[in-house]
Amino acid sequence: QSALTQPPSASESPGQSVTISCTGTSSDVGGYNYVSWYQQHPGKAPKLMIYEVSKRPSGVPDRFSGSKSGNTASLTVSGLLADDEADYYCSSYADRGTRVLFGGGTKLTVL
Amino acid sequence: EVQLVESGGVVVQPGGSLRLSCAASAFTFDDYTMHWVRQAPGKGLEWVSLINSVDTFYAEFVKGRFTISRDNSKNSLYLQMNSLTVEDTAFYYCAKEDSGWYDLAYWGQGSLVTVSS
Repeated sequence: QSALTQPPSASESPGQSVTISCTGTSSDVGGYNYVSWYQQHPGKAPKLMIYEVSKRPSGVPDRFSGSKSGNTASLTVSGLLADDEADYYCSSYADRGTRVLFGGGTKLTVL
Repeated sequence: EVQLVESGGVVVQPGGSLRLSCAASAFTFDDYTMHWVRQAPGKGLEWVSLINSVDTFYAEFVKGRFTISRDNSKNSLYLQMNSLTVEDTAFYYCAKEDSGWYDLAYWGQGSLVTVSS
């Protein structure tokens, strides 16, 4: 089973918005609303930002939003701040073999 | 405050074995599904295994080499790893689901396993 596909990098200026995509198949992203997004700063553990496609855990700013269309999920970060610069990973439940798949990660640079 | 503390990471030779532990606190441990996720140095996240109240699941790369278990009386999660290869070198994180499905809302600090001769 292949990992989910994310762009390796993204960049945008402070105050702007950026969208990161995560593409899977009908056996994972497209078939279930169990997509999560994680933020990871260097040397730190990942932090859950979005779960079940579009839900935000308590404490996560509403600048972070998630959506899904077909086999592709997306994370949008609006009003970019310097602290948003980090690696972002998507994950999804998969109904065959490896039950949880991660994307390869996207390094977000806030210019 | 929920805490997850991994331990047991060491340097081990190829073909060797070791057991990772994760001590949990500040929540009702047996109510939650627990996961192991790994990250090779400088690489991305890779899911390893999960355990709930009735079942266990593994990533395909495990191929029968790893066993996840839990001791609810000790609020502890374990990962027994056998037949280790250099490709298993990574930080191993334990993680806890919360109110959703497959939402890894809490993570430990990670334990480094180095497989090297």
